[in-house]
Amino acid sequence: NAGVTQTPKFRVLKTGQSMTLLCAQDMNHEYMYWYRQDPGMGLRLIHYSVGEGTTAKGEVPDGYNVSRLKKQNFLLGLESAAPSQTSVYFCASSSASGASYNEQFFGPGTRLTVL
Amino acid sequence: GNSVTQMEGPVTLSEEAFLTINCTYTATGYPSLFWYVQYPGEGLQLLLKATKADDKGSNKGFEATYRKETTSFHLEKGSVQVSDSAVYFCALRPRAGANSKLTFGKGITLSVRP
Repeated sequence: NAGVTQTPKFRVLKTGQSMTLLCAQDMNHEYMYWYRQDPGMGLRLIHYSVGEGTTAKGEVPDGYNVSRLKKQNFLLGLESAAPSQTSVYFCASSSASGASYNEQFFGPGTRLTVL
Repeated sequence: GNSVTQMEGPVTLSEEAFLTINCTYTATGYPSLFWYVQYPGEGLQLLLKATKADDKGSNKGFEATYRKETTSFHLEKGSVQVSDSAVYFCALRPRAGANSKLTFGKGITLSVRP
């Protein structure tokens, strides 16, 4: 049981380049989330999904797109990277019901630098 | 809107010292409250939670009590260890709606020296 995994762990991009971050979970969770973590800012929600085929905007969605084609995967895309998107990105998932309802499980993070 | 306020950091303590990390919140109704911990180089892990007023969450020697009257959820530990060095986040989740999302505080870094 791997929990939540993220690919890649590190990435350096040049301004204007594109990339996709992959999140996978093996807990059959309905909900998935993408956050960014910046010094002094805590975690801010970028986008989230409440089920396969559905996505919604969070607190800071500009410059990002997401897709949830399969229940276990949640992709975060940057179409044209900017230095302001330098951050650590975390994926999380949670169950819609059951004993662990209310608890989000986090991946190890992806450290992205945009030059 | 919902918000979580944590005390300013960082915090540096000696091993076996008493720890208090303050957290207050603003929310309508009765949210669920959480403390998450982030060890160096890792993602966040749930440390403890409380889902209603006067509930006490506890784990690994840490405790926090849901105080509705003071809208607080302060984290305490009687004797910290070097291994407790991490970033601690307070968070809330509104009760209303299945899609309710977590709101995090800014986090506070705890360093425990031997």
